[in-house]
Amino acid sequence: GAVVSQHPSRVICKSGTSVKIECRSLDFQATTMFWYRQFPKQSLMLMATSNEGSKATYEQGVEKDKFLINHASLTLSTLTVTSAHPEDSSFYICSALHREGTDTQYFGPGTRLTVL
Amino acid sequence: DAKTTQPPSMDCAEGRAANLPCNHSTISGNEYVYWYRQIHSQGPQYIIHGLKNNETNEMASLIITEDRKSSTLILPHATLRDTAVYYCIVRVAGSGTYKYIFGTGTRLKVLA
Repeated sequence: GAVVSQHPSRVICKSGTSVKIECRSLDFQATTMFWYRQFPKQSLMLMATSNEGSKATYEQGVEKDKFLINHASLTLSTLTVTSAHPEDSSFYICSALHREGTDTQYFGPGTRLTVL
Repeated sequence: DAKTTQPPSMDCAEGRAANLPCNHSTISGNEYVYWYRQIHSQGPQYIIHGLKNNETNEMASLIITEDRKSSTLILPHATLRDTAVYYCIVRVAGSGTYKYIFGTGTRLKVLA
């Protein structure tokens, strides 16, 4: 149980284009999902908290107009990187909050974004 | 800032127990300690969590000190596949929910 998927697993795009990443909780409903970014040899950095049916809450220093988050259902959150640039190349990871018991986060496998 | 501190790296011989320490001296009375691990280029994998009692599951054991200021994750018989970065996390209050702030973790290398 508590499986989270991400799609795509890997994407390469040209500079200036937008890329959408999907995060799905497969066997549970998640009113809250989280988006993280991880650069090589670094730890995960929380970007934003996504709540179903409401606006996402962004961490300090994360541009909300550049990283658009939509959490339209209890099993799906999307992250759109708009007008991507090479410096946006990173490993993007989502998690979904499983509220049964003690609010444990379960993570997706990650999406490797490369912007040329 | 992360509410936990861990040693940056550890080695362990295959088949031996791996004991990974974590300090969380500012933990509040009702906060859980969570452990995850991340194998290269994958998302973090949940291992175990606990409040104040020791916990055990099929993956690991978690020993929490009586004052709750530190804990130890124990992998009883480490294998090469346990080589990963291990993160100890105490949640931080966010906007309407709790969030994880990841520290640098411990890079465990299991040696053949």
